Amino acid sequence: GAGVSQSPRYKVTKRGQDVALRCDPISGHVSLYWYRQALGQGPEFLTYFNYEAQQDKSGLPNDRFSAERPEGSISTLTIQRTEQRDSAMYRCASSLKASGPTGELFFGEGSRLTVL
Amino acid sequence: SQKIEQNSEALNIQEGKTATLTCNYTNYSPAYLQWYRQDPGRGPVFLLLIRENEKEKRKERLKVTFDTTLKQSLFHITASQPADSATYLCALLIYNQGGKLIFGQGTELSVKP
Repeated sequence: GAGVSQSPRYKVTKRGQDVALRCDPISGHVSLYWYRQALGQGPEFLTYFNYEAQQDKSGLPNDRFSAERPEGSISTLTIQRTEQRDSAMYRCASSLKASGPTGELFFGEGSRLTVL
Repeated sequence: SQKIEQNSEALNIQEGKTATLTCNYTNYSPAYLQWYRQDPGRGPVFLLLIRENEKEKRKERLKVTFDTTLKQSLFHITASQPADSATYLCALLIYNQGGKLIFGQGTELSVKP
């Protein structure tokens, strides 16, 4: 696609429900990143993939958070048993190369999650 | 602990002046450093990249310096315009942490006409 696409753009859920956030990266991009961004803060690293392999998940806050990219393209970030503190903007980004010399990230518009 | 710090205070300058934003880091050995621009409600947009063996990089009215001894990068916008008003983020790629890109908290720049 022309850019990184995320869905849903807005998600309101009740505490305790599971949510799945989807990211469709730029076609052909090798690396895919998930970040969480609070208002007035920079993006906070969650996890990233090269192709279908999850390279680093050290930023996932706890075991309620998981991510997958089974075919090396679309990725899903899943949050189980949501809590109010999970409310945030979740951003996906993709990069043409895996840790290559450019490393420029292209960001999507984000998924705004609100947990009531 | 590892930390990236940017000017926490918003920067207000007059149109035509040079804006200088700071990014300091501790306990990292970054392979390279990037600067992004973020407008309200939008995702960050890449501006410039500078490698650890480069001292300075320029692009149009933008200039970035990278001092690995001071562990600091400076980001300059010359002849600033109101359209330059945005939040600017620095990000570090760490060699020994694979391709993980870590962001600072950002500095909000406001250019007044």
